[in-house]
Amino acid sequence: GIQVEQSPPDLILQEGANSTLRCNFSDSVNNLQWFHQNPWGQLINLFYIPSGTKQNGRLSATTVATERYSLLYISSSQTTDSGVYFCAVDTGRRALTFGSGTRLQVQP
Amino acid sequence: KAGVTQTPRYLIKTRGQQVTLSCSPISGHRSVSWYQQTPGQGLQFLFEYFSETQRNKGNFPGRFSGRQFSNSRSEMNVSTLELGDSALYLCASRSGGTGELFFGEGSRLTVL
Repeated sequence: GIQVEQSPPDLILQEGANSTLRCNFSDSVNNLQWFHQNPWGQLINLFYIPSGTKQNGRLSATTVATERYSLLYISSSQTTDSGVYFCAVDTGRRALTFGSGTRLQVQP
Repeated sequence: KAGVTQTPRYLIKTRGQQVTLSCSPISGHRSVSWYQQTPGQGLQFLFEYFSETQRNKGNFPGRFSGRQFSNSRSEMNVSTLELGDSALYLCASRSGGTGELFFGEGSRLTVL
């Protein structure tokens, strides 16, 4: 099956800093989503981005499908951005394959 | 529009028992899928239902089963619980237009 690798696994930032999270995948996909998992476990949708670039406030994402990677940018980070960020892909089986996540800690 | 609703949120069972978890998708969404999250294995796909039919199944033993009703609500059942079944079980509904998945808050199962 498809492999999804996220980097870095852990990231510690000071409030106000910018960061880039990366997701590499091993096969063609027809769906790619970024999620933020809150402390209670819920997966919050950030982006649905099988290709191209999207922006939502301080967050933006880019997927280069031909090169099989996606990037999530967080600018001017806040303590509320802390948590685990997951990339997940679907190759058409209607089943998401998740990466292992990036655990982000934003310190005040 | 209400989100994906899962019940119960927390439950504790003992080994050998069985458990049933419920999921109500976003109104209008007909596809429901289930995922298991554990510290060791991460997030893994269990199964997906559409119009009361299981369309896809992950690599889990037969103790894990599910069903979908005509109103698109879904249930999953785990029989003969093992300690390793302790996990967060997440349900997702899929937008028919874009294919984007939206997740519920999860049901956290502890097996003692």
